[in-house]
Amino acid sequence: GENVEQHPSTLSVQEGDSAVIKCTYSDSASNYFPWYKQELGKRPQLIIDIRSNVGEKKDQRIAVTLNKTAKHFSLHITETQPEDSAVYFCAAVEGSYIPTFGRGTSLIVHP
Amino acid sequence: SAVISQKPSRDICQRGTSLTIQCQVDSQVTMMFWYRQQPGQSLTLIATANQGSEATYESGFVIDKFPISRPNLTFSTLTVSNMSPEDSSIYLCSVARETHYGYTFGSGTRLTVV
Repeated sequence: GENVEQHPSTLSVQEGDSAVIKCTYSDSASNYFPWYKQELGKRPQLIIDIRSNVGEKKDQRIAVTLNKTAKHFSLHITETQPEDSAVYFCAAVEGSYIPTFGRGTSLIVHP
Repeated sequence: SAVISQKPSRDICQRGTSLTIQCQVDSQVTMMFWYRQQPGQSLTLIATANQGSEATYESGFVIDKFPISRPNLTFSTLTVSNMSPEDSSIYLCSVARETHYGYTFGSGTRLTVV
């Protein structure tokens, strides 16, 4: 089955800096890669996603890049703000439509 | 995206008892999943709820402990049976429309077994 590795487990940045979270996946059949943000005590919320026929997708301050050859994808957050502090999960989905989640990255943005 | 109502939001239960968690979606969805999330941990898939047939369980989860029902395309229940303190966790349902992915999560049920 699919295996998703996510790094780092914790990321601490100053407000205004950029943050990058990286994930690798094992199953070349995976074709959909969502990213979720989970604030403390709340449900995971989809923030951005990318499909395998696209190399990059951007939505305001967040972007996701995908390298199918290397089987890795990354979340980029620019101009970080304290409200970006949360746990971020990546996931990979293949033909069964069942997502495999990474272990999560705790992002801390210091004012 | 789909709107999910998950109940109860939290409960404190005695060991040996059972709790049924409900997940109601405002529209028909193809896929419904049940997850467990320990504090500070990732999402662990318990099972895929199949409409009109038995759920598909992941390794380490069995039907006798986590019976699941899905009578239609908008509703599912997860029962945590014969609970022990090790079952204390957050349980989440998640749904997706097959052709659009876009997995959405319910608000979760925080279960404490004493």
